[in-house]
Amino acid sequence: GAGVSQTPSNKVTEKGKYVELRCDPISGHTALYWYRQSLGQGPEFLIYFQGTGAADDSGLPNDRFFAVRPEGSVSTLKIQRTERGDSAVYLCASSLGLASYNEQFFGPGTRLTVL
Amino acid sequence: KNEVEQSPQNLTAQEGEFITINCSYSVGISALHWLQQHPGGGIVSLFMLSSGKKKHGRLIATINIQEKHSSLHITASHPRDSAVYICAVRANTGTASKLTFGTGTRLQVTL
Repeated sequence: GAGVSQTPSNKVTEKGKYVELRCDPISGHTALYWYRQSLGQGPEFLIYFQGTGAADDSGLPNDRFFAVRPEGSVSTLKIQRTERGDSAVYLCASSLGLASYNEQFFGPGTRLTVL
Repeated sequence: KNEVEQSPQNLTAQEGEFITINCSYSVGISALHWLQQHPGGGIVSLFMLSSGKKKHGRLIATINIQEKHSSLHITASHPRDSAVYICAVRANTGTASKLTFGTGTRLQVTL
């Protein structure tokens, strides 16, 4: 399909483990966003990329979280030493560019459960 | 106080009813989004607007920039409209590209 895809759809891990979450944006979209949605809450911003560079990572909660987009397309969100509080749905979105008139298209999310 | 607040948090309606969901925000914005999220997490963008009114099928979104308020209306509601509806804004200062979300309104439409 032509939409944003995320893998895996579900990830269960143990406390202290390392996880990687992948986002494939819509082809040609230069802007890519990561959000996190805890149960019963609205999504919260984590980081966004314009091309290969992280334009704003101010939403990353701490240094256990890191994201990359080495070729300006696929992005990986990496979480080290996972904690139970990291359990959430991690959403990825992409848009043609950063301008406000560019709509963001969301992926289905990855549900992360840390036991 | 959250930058984006929605009301009501939960809403139950009977099929055919006219539904209104409200969103208030406290920052200057360049755009406001209405999003729909079904169980399972997938988010679909319904509207993006910066002024006035937009209509798509049975859905209508309005925004009043001066009052920092937007409404989403659903006419002739149907059980398939049952979902969480989320308001999100793009601020016109600072990191203008990120979205700030409300906590959502959970709508249940019954037969």
